[in-house]
Amino acid sequence: QVHLQESGPGLVKPSETLSLICTVSGGSISSYYWNWIRQPPGKGLEWIGYFSHSGNSTYNAFLKSRVTISADMSKNQFSLRLRSVTTADTAVYYCARGYRYCGRIGCNMVWFDPWGQGTLVTVSS
Amino acid sequence: DFVMTQSPDSMAVSPGERAAINCKSSQSVLNSSNNKNYLAWYQQKPGQPPKLLVYWASTPESGVPDRFSASGSGTDFTLTISSLQAEDVAVYFCQQYFSSPWTFGQGTKVEIK
Repeated sequence: QVHLQESGPGLVKPSETLSLICTVSGGSISSYYWNWIRQPPGKGLEWIGYFSHSGNSTYNAFLKSRVTISADMSKNQFSLRLRSVTTADTAVYYCARGYRYCGRIGCNMVWFDPWGQGTLVTVSS
Repeated sequence: DFVMTQSPDSMAVSPGERAAINCKSSQSVLNSSNNKNYLAWYQQKPGQPPKLLVYWASTPESGVPDRFSASGSGTDFTLTISSLQAEDVAVYFCQQYFSSPWTFGQGTKVEIK
């Protein structure tokens, strides 16, 4: 059974870089899509982006200029870096596996399962 | 982007009663080439991450109690809990995977009356 666990600082200063790692156990990150999703306090879920089994990353446009998602296959980990943070980036950050569906046209990511427990990152001076 | 709008935002239901949550997409999530609706439902209990309940709009994930059912097509979808139990207290989200960026509804909080 695949298990995901986020780790990283819980407090980041404004204008600095938020860095989180997701450690995957029970399965290899060489397949599927590996995602970061966040949930600001009292709000809904926002998909940030993914690192795919093929080695490329795709990001949500609203964060694209500030975000990097990469992976360390040797450690079975993937990471999130979000630059120039503001208080609006305060959220619970989840990592999640994205399933892949292949149809006639091609393959795409579909739903997310499982998710890590989540880690609260507060942006504050 | 596909905007997913859920209704109601919250609801209080007596134990054993039916709860129905609606999700409306700003654009159709039905793929005409395979006749599949690209929509999932999640349950998020307090202090826990979201858990996949349903995919392809109506296919329950393994292990999901059969009091949970889902239906709909195109732009309008419903998640129904036929007989609410105390352990069903949670926030429920819909999510489209028809098009990037993958987007979620704002969530519906279900409480016990």
